[in-house]
Amino acid sequence: DADVTQTPRNRITKTGKRIMLECSQTKGHDRMYWYRQDPGLGLRLIYYSFDVKDINKGEISDGYSVSRQAQAKFSLSLESAIPNQTALYFCATSDPRDNTDTQYFGPGTRLTVL
Amino acid sequence: AQSVTQLGSHVSVSEGALVLLRCNYSSSVPPYLFWYVQYPNQGLQLLLKYTSAATLVKGINGFEAEFKKSETSFHLTKPSAHMSDAAEYFCAVSGTGGFKTIFGAGTRLFVKA
Repeated sequence: DADVTQTPRNRITKTGKRIMLECSQTKGHDRMYWYRQDPGLGLRLIYYSFDVKDINKGEISDGYSVSRQAQAKFSLSLESAIPNQTALYFCATSDPRDNTDTQYFGPGTRLTVL
Repeated sequence: AQSVTQLGSHVSVSEGALVLLRCNYSSSVPPYLFWYVQYPNQGLQLLLKYTSAATLVKGINGFEAEFKKSETSFHLTKPSAHMSDAAEYFCAVSGTGGFKTIFGAGTRLFVKA
C-alpha cells in the first residue's frame, strides 16, 4: 500500500463550486504539505502543517484553506473554485527528525475547473 | 533566501547518450540539495540528495550529482540514457535545520530511440 494517498485522483468541477482534496499518510510523519504544480512553474507551496495544531500559509494560499484532522490526515479545500486553480495538486510529508526535510509525495490530484 | 534555477525546461537525448540536467542554487546557509523524479501520472520521488557527507552523490537508477560550492551547482548526470528515464526532474534546496524546501521549475527529459 502507498504511504501517502490522495483522493480523488482526478476531478472536474465548475466555477464557484466548493472542492475538497484529501490526503492520508501511514508514514507517521508530523509534517504535511500541499503543493500545486503548473507547467513551467514547478511546485509551489500552498499550506503546510508541522502538527495537528500548527498550520501555516505557503506562498500561494489565497483561495485555499486546509484542515489537519489528525496526524495522518490533511485536507485542502477550494471554497469557490475558479479556472486558474486548474492544476495538479500534491500532498507531501516529511519527518521533523530528518534535518534535510526530505519529502514524500502522494500520487497527485488532477483538478480541472471549468 | 534560497532559490533554485534549472537550466532548460526540456532536454532531449538519444538512448545510450549522456544525460546532463543542470541546477544552480542560491542559499544563505549551507544547503541540502535534492533531485526528485516524476514519472508520468505519479508523484515525485527522491532520486538523490546532498547532505555534505560527500560532494559526489549517487542515486537510484544510475544517476549521480556533484555538489560544486564554487559554482553553486548541483548538476545531475547519467552516463547512458535509457528509455525508462523519460520523466520530469526537479532540483530542490533546503537549508540546514530543514525547513523549507524550494523546488525548481523542472526539466522534462525525453529519450529518443
